[in-house]
Amino acid sequence: AQTVTQSQPEMSVQEAETVTLSCTYDTSESDYYLFWYKQPPSRQMILVIRQEAYKQQNATENRFSVNFQKAAKSFSLKISDSQLGDAAMYFCAYRSAWGGGSQGNLIFGKGTKLSVKP
Amino acid sequence: DSGVTQTPKHLITATGQRVTLRCSPRSGDLSVYWYQQSLDQGLQFLIQYYNGEERAKGNILERFSAQQFPDLHSELNLSSLELGDSALYFCASSVTGFTEAFFGQGTRLTVV
Repeated sequence: AQTVTQSQPEMSVQEAETVTLSCTYDTSESDYYLFWYKQPPSRQMILVIRQEAYKQQNATENRFSVNFQKAAKSFSLKISDSQLGDAAMYFCAYRSAWGGGSQGNLIFGKGTKLSVKP
Repeated sequence: DSGVTQTPKHLITATGQRVTLRCSPRSGDLSVYWYQQSLDQGLQFLIQYYNGEERAKGNILERFSAQQFPDLHSELNLSSLELGDSALYFCASSVTGFTEAFFGQGTRLTVV
């Protein structure tokens, strides 16, 4: 079974600085997707960024970028120029690229609570 | 706004009762997922439907059941409720099981 581990329960960053959130995962599959979701106090789950395992290039979305290390099974999220609105819980998630018993459901880590200091 | 609508937003009920949570997926999305978010268990996948058929099951209790109707909306039924069932229940939808999943705002269930 696949697992996702976020080893940092809480992180803090100064406004305008850069922060990196860590995520590791375990899988025997070769093809899969990885995601970072943001959950602000409003509790809405918002997709931040996705990465296809077959792509070597790291995904970027504006101030958000990932460092995907497939061999190390590591998937970290870097937030540049942090803003107060970035304060939220961040969840790393895994999804298999194949069907079978689990078609499309996400496996989440426990989350990292990010605080942004003005 | 993700386009996924969940009702109600909040629900308070007593132990032993039964409740129904409703989810309307984004227009065009055939796949619906239910997740439970609790403090001790985190975010856990419960069940997935695709075009009316059950596609995958996760850590869903036998007291819980779900269905997806012909108009593609889905309902999650929770019965014989216990205090430990208090949680945030999310619905998510996607076009297929292999495309992006978008989440609703969740239903906060409190069992007293």
